Amino acid sequence: QKEVEQNSGPLSVPEGAIASLNCTYSDRGSQSFFWYRQYSGKSPELIMFIYSNGDKEDGRFTAQLNKASQYVSLLIRDSQPSDSATYLCAVNAGGTSYGKLTFGQGTILTVHP
Amino acid sequence: GAVVSQHPSRVICKSGTSVKIECRSLDFQATTMFWYRQFPKKSLMLMATSNEGSKATYEQGVEKDKFLINHASLTLSTLTVTSAHPEDSSFYICSAANTGLAGETQYFGPGTRLLVL
Repeated sequence: QKEVEQNSGPLSVPEGAIASLNCTYSDRGSQSFFWYRQYSGKSPELIMFIYSNGDKEDGRFTAQLNKASQYVSLLIRDSQPSDSATYLCAVNAGGTSYGKLTFGQGTILTVHP
Repeated sequence: GAVVSQHPSRVICKSGTSVKIECRSLDFQATTMFWYRQFPKKSLMLMATSNEGSKATYEQGVEKDKFLINHASLTLSTLTVTSAHPEDSSFYICSAANTGLAGETQYFGPGTRLLVL
């Protein structure tokens, strides 16, 4: 059983729409959660992190965390073609993990004009 | 803030040679750095966790004698691919952990593309 699972997609949305990316994790003790974006041929870049239940908004991005359901999501409002990339969900177990992350397999997002 | 650099960005070498890749945290001190490898269209694969002043912790299946890691200071970790072979050709990415609100947050370097002929 995968420890962090994402809907693999690919997910295709029209420009201006809301893109919804989902992630579930198996370790109930996980403490912090990250969304990274990776363009083809590039390294991942941090979009957002969240560690408290609820929503966290940053510009067009909203992360949602529900620890009871072991679920974290990323919403992208007003999607743009430049948002087309692979989105990686990552989970930090905390404690003595020293920042070690468990990554999902990534969701490929395509925003078409 | 939280900028991580890698050098070189791209390297081509002959089979049997060794290649050193540097990872630097430019504006913060990183007690812990991580080394990943990524093959085309595949997920990131963690190779090892590099801790300043101590031996690296390697993931299962990663040969520690082939992939030498040195974390000499709080801003520099190096990965040396020894006796490289064509199957070692890959995209090598480091990250550095910075302590913040979410605990340790990883920031990635731009990656090093290795091609072994």
